[in-house]
Order: sequence, then structure tokens, then C-alpha cells
Amino acid sequence: KQEVTQIPAALSVPEGENLVLNCSFTDSAIYNLQWFRQDPGKGLTSLLLIQSSQREQTSGRLNASLDKSSGRSTLYIAASQPGDSATYLCAVVQTGANNLFFGTGTRLTVIP
Amino acid sequence: GAVVSQHPSWVICKSGTSVKIECRSLDFQATTMFWYRQFPKQSLMLMATSNEGSKATYEQGVEKDKFLINHASLTLSTLTVTSAHPEDSSFYICSARDGSRRSRDGYTFGSGTRLTVV
Repeated sequence: KQEVTQIPAALSVPEGENLVLNCSFTDSAIYNLQWFRQDPGKGLTSLLLIQSSQREQTSGRLNASLDKSSGRSTLYIAASQPGDSATYLCAVVQTGANNLFFGTGTRLTVIP
Repeated sequence: GAVVSQHPSWVICKSGTSVKIECRSLDFQATTMFWYRQFPKQSLMLMATSNEGSKATYEQGVEKDKFLINHASLTLSTLTVTSAHPEDSSFYICSARDGSRRSRDGYTFGSGTRLTVV
């Protein structure tokens, strides 16, 4: 069964710093990988979607990479801002399946 | 982009009563919707896959009679927590994907429902 792990579980950085969040998955037979942001008590906001054939996706200050063979993805956040404080979740869709397998999440705090 | 509306955003109910949560795809048709449960400071746990016009598929350990799912139309799925007890208190989130844009877009999530059973 697919297992998705995120490291670190929590991260605190000063404003302006660049940071990397890590996601690893045990089964490389994935259809795509999606990064989400969740604010406390709220639903999930999609940040980036990477298809299995892609290596990276960028949106503004966010860049997500995917190395399917090694079962890893990273989310790079440039010039962090206090408004980036949230929990970040990665999730994968298995090839031939419909549902998402979620990681454990990284709780990010950006200190002003 | 695709929008999923979930209602209510929060609900408090007495133990033993039933609560219905609605999940609507506003600008697309969703033949499949998903229901997740999230405990405090934990990740999302898939409860069931809701299929339009057929029975839902439940994950192992999820009680079908406790969590009733109905997906009667291409834009609406409902989750009913029957005879709720305090241990059912949790954050419930639905998601759907626009099948017409399946390669380009991922999954869209509702805003979640905070259920508190007293």
C-alpha cells in the first residue's frame, strides 16, 4: 500500500528565507502528485499539480519537483512571507486509481 | 477553475442525532467524489468514494451504516453521520475532480465541515 511521508513535520523560519519541504512515497507507480496548503480549520487549496511525466512545476514563488524513480518530491518556497504560514500536504494518485494518498503534512511558520 | 462547495462549515449536534453534510461541484460535473476525515493535527484519511448513481465504496474500518453516502446527481454528494456520538466529532472534507479536465487539473476540495457532537 502506498505510504506518503513528509519531512519535517514542522518548520519555523524567519521571513524572507527560502525553504524546502520534502515528500516521499513508497510506490513509484503514480499518475500525478499534488501539493496543497491547509490553513487551520479550513479546507485544502491546491498549489501545484505535477504529472508523472513531468519533472517540475512553478507558480509564482513556488516550485515543485518530482523524481518518480526515487519516490521524492520537493516544494520550494522562495522569499517566504508570514502569509505562507500553513500546513502543506502532498498527495499522490496511484496509476489506475482515483483517490489521493496524503502525506503527514509539514506545519510551516514564517516569523515576521 | 473547478469549485467545490461544502455545507455546513460547522455543526454542533446532540449525541444520538443524525447530521447531513453536503458537497456540491458548482461549475463541473463530478461522477466521483471523495469523503475524508481529519483528526486534529493529522493528515486526511479517506473514508469513502462516492459514485454517482451507485453505491459508495468504503475504506476498511469505516462503518457503512454509520456514514451514509448518497450521490444522486452529478453535482451533489451527501454524507450523513447517523446516531452521532462524541467520537464522531471531527473535520470532514469532500473533494471532486472535473472529469473533463482530468489531465490538467487535480482534485478540488470543499472548505470542510467541523462536526462537534455533545
